[in-house]
Amino acid sequence: EAQVTQNPRYLITVTGKKLTVTCSQNMNHEYMSWYRQDPGLGLRQIYYSMNVEVTDKGDVPEGYKVSRKEKRNFPLILESPSPNQTSLYFCASKRGTAGGAYNEQFFGPGTRLTVL
Amino acid sequence: DAKTTQPNSMESNEEEPVHLPCNHSTISGTDYIHWYRQLPSQGPEYVIHGLTSNVNNRMASLAIAEDRKSSTLILHRATLRDAAVYYCILSDRRDNQGGKLIFGQGTELSVKP
Repeated sequence: EAQVTQNPRYLITVTGKKLTVTCSQNMNHEYMSWYRQDPGLGLRQIYYSMNVEVTDKGDVPEGYKVSRKEKRNFPLILESPSPNQTSLYFCASKRGTAGGAYNEQFFGPGTRLTVL
Repeated sequence: DAKTTQPNSMESNEEEPVHLPCNHSTISGTDYIHWYRQLPSQGPEYVIHGLTSNVNNRMASLAIAEDRKSSTLILHRATLRDAAVYYCILSDRRDNQGGKLIFGQGTELSVKP
């Protein structure tokens, strides 16, 4: 089954304790992306990757890191989490790297992160 | 980026058609119109997209105004499972940075049995 998986689904942590949220897709997609969703602010892009070893900042990259060493995986790293990073996080992937017609994106189930 | 405007919420009865409107008066000629929906406690999922002509797929139909300044997502027979937030998003085919989706607030659709 074609899917995007994220782990963990739920995480409660404390300020400053490094964490990684994993994202994996089995569709051989070139493009992967991370979004966060907050009440009243909608979904906002954090980082994206056009292919292996190619990553770039989205709209809200502060406090986050990513890496793309393999095509299927795109982990989101919080080196020193803070309470303002409490949010619902979604990973997405799609075939190709263009906008327009080729923009059917597949989203993971989400990771709810709470930073105390 | 061209903006879209949608009603905050709509209500429908089960097994009746639903028409979800979206205004995009500043749309450019290279913008595609995409619809996504987000079911409760799930990630967004793609519904349909189009450029100028009306489009149909197994999930829904998309009706695009002749001047492209508005569009309507049509669910032909709403089911309880269609209760979700529906997002209308423009995606420029000139975008060579992957195609970031800009989500607005969307329309929260509730379906009554």
